Amino acid sequence: AQSVTQPDIHITVSEGASLELRCNYSYGATPYLFWYVQSPGQGLQLLLKYFSGDTLVQGIKGFEAEFKRSQSSFNLRKPSVHWSDAAEYFCAVGVRGGGADGLTFGKGTHLIIQP
Amino acid sequence: GAGVSQSPSNKVTEKGKDVELRCDPISGHTALYWYRQSLGQGLEFLIYFQGNSAPDKSGLPSDRFSAERTGGSVSTLTIQRTQQEDSAVYLCASTLTGNEQFFGPGTRLTVL
Repeated sequence: AQSVTQPDIHITVSEGASLELRCNYSYGATPYLFWYVQSPGQGLQLLLKYFSGDTLVQGIKGFEAEFKRSQSSFNLRKPSVHWSDAAEYFCAVGVRGGGADGLTFGKGTHLIIQP
Repeated sequence: GAGVSQSPSNKVTEKGKDVELRCDPISGHTALYWYRQSLGQGLEFLIYFQGNSAPDKSGLPSDRFSAERTGGSVSTLTIQRTQQEDSAVYLCASTLTGNEQFFGPGTRLTVL
């Protein structure tokens, strides 16, 4: 069965500093990978996705992620965080779009931005 | 256009009561998903609809949970005889192409 591990429950970063959120997955087939963000009281918003091709994918809000098959990782990065980036971040794996089994999500990483 | 909407946004109920949660997907989206988000379990997939049919209901946590979708559009998730462990945020998502699931804001269910 597929699984996603986000090893960091909380991360605190100073505003303007760089950010990397870790994600490791286990999936039997070619994975389709996603990063979602959730602000308090809101639903999930897709930041970026990887299906195939270039392993460095660009997303919204200045985020990017790199797929590394050898490490089963899909880490999310941003060069300079803003206070508005404070939120919960979820990595997910599945077939393209979810299929009949939906997406499998990690437990999430809570990002705190220090002024 | 309008996104996925869910109602109610908050629901407080007493243990043993039945509740219905509603999801209005983006118009034209053929696939619809329900997920549950709880502190202990994170985000769990519950059920998937393609059109009006749900090919696999094994993701539903118990037989107190049921879901239906009518007219290929609105879906309702029903929980009978609610228990305190049902307290969670229930999220709905829809997709047309399968490239991206669009999520609603969720329904926060509290069972007293």
